[in-house]
Amino acid sequence: AQTVTQSQPEMSVQEAETVTLSCTYDTSENNYYLFWYKQPPSRQMILVIRQEAYKQQNATENRFSVNFQKAAKSFSLKISDSQLGDTAMYFCAFMKHWAGNKLVFGAGTILRVKS
Amino acid sequence: GAVVSQHPSRVICKSGTSVKIECRSLDFQATTMFWYRQFPKQSLMLMATSNEGSKATYEQGVEKDKFLINHASLTLSTLTVTSAHPEDSSFYICSAVPGLAYEQYFGPGTRLTVT
Repeated sequence: AQTVTQSQPEMSVQEAETVTLSCTYDTSENNYYLFWYKQPPSRQMILVIRQEAYKQQNATENRFSVNFQKAAKSFSLKISDSQLGDTAMYFCAFMKHWAGNKLVFGAGTILRVKS
Repeated sequence: GAVVSQHPSRVICKSGTSVKIECRSLDFQATTMFWYRQFPKQSLMLMATSNEGSKATYEQGVEKDKFLINHASLTLSTLTVTSAHPEDSSFYICSAVPGLAYEQYFGPGTRLTVT
């Protein structure tokens, strides 16, 4: 079974600074997807960024980028120019290819952006 | 696009009664929907996978007679908590997958309080 580990329960960052959230996963699969979701205080789950495992290039979405290290099974999220609205719980998630679209979530990291 | 709604957003019910939560995909057809439960500051716990026109698949440890799931159409899945008890109080989130896509789109969640 796949597992996803987020080793940082809570983090804080100063506004406009950069922060990196860690995620490691365990799988014997070769084809899979990885995601970062954001859950702000409203509790609406919002997709931040996705990465297909077959793509070597790291995904980027504006201020959000990932460092995908397939051999190390690591998938960290970097948030640049942090904004107060980035304050949320962030979940790393794994999805096996062609396996019913099931997501396996990490425990989450609470990120607080301070002014 | 890809909007998922849930109704109600909040519900309070008395112990022993049943409560139904609806999950709708508003602008796409969803062959697969998922139901999650989330406790405060914790990750999402998958309860069941709902496929249109067939019985739901429950995760280990989830009582299928207590959490009844019906996926009667390609845009609607319902979760009924039967004979609710205070320990069923939680935040319930649904997600839906469009057609042949792989990405899950999440509803805003339903906060259930059982008194």
